[in-house]
Amino acid sequence: NAGVTQTPKFQVLKTGQSMTLQCAQDMNHEYMSWYRQDPGMGLRLIHYSVGAGITDQGEVPNGYNVSRSTTEDFPLRLLSAAPSQTSVYFCASSYSSRGGGQPQHFGDGTRLSIL
Amino acid sequence: AQTVTQSQPEMSVQEAETVTLSCTYDTSENNYYLFWYKQPPSRQMILVIRQEAYKQQNATENRFSVNFQKAAKSFSLKISDSQLGDTAMYFCAFMKLGNEKLTFGTGTRLTIIP
Repeated sequence: NAGVTQTPKFQVLKTGQSMTLQCAQDMNHEYMSWYRQDPGMGLRLIHYSVGAGITDQGEVPNGYNVSRSTTEDFPLRLLSAAPSQTSVYFCASSYSSRGGGQPQHFGDGTRLSIL
Repeated sequence: AQTVTQSQPEMSVQEAETVTLSCTYDTSENNYYLFWYKQPPSRQMILVIRQEAYKQQNATENRFSVNFQKAAKSFSLKISDSQLGDTAMYFCAFMKLGNEKLTFGTGTRLTIIP
């Protein structure tokens, strides 16, 4: 049982490049989300999904795009990378999307640097 | 909107001692959940403990316990008999009932000194 798998673990991009951070879970979880972690700011929600075909914006969605075509996968796309997007990105999932306080399972994170 | 405040950016304590990490939050909700997550140097996010706001009894998990004061909107984490493996960033987080979104505090970096 792999849990939540994020790829890649590290990435360096140049300003203006695009890329996709991959997230997959094998627990049949309804809810998936992306957070970014910056020094002194904790984790902030970028986008989330309550099921296949349904996505919504979180606290800091600008510059990011998501889709959820399957229950298992929830990729995060950077359309045109900017230095302000240098951060550590976490994908998380939980069994239910109905807000019952289910523990969220986190991936190991992707450290992204934009030059 | 909810906010979560952790006023102690860094703390250190001797091994085997007890340490308490503070967390306060602001919400107009009556039903919600509170969490403490641990992030060791490996960068993993590990759930330490969970509290349901409608339960008056404080949650405990082995050496970890919370002091939940709903009226004061306070949710502190106590670590007893601290161990070197407890060295990590600790994040307090809030989730309102009916919504899976987590709101995190800025974290407390805890160092256990041998």
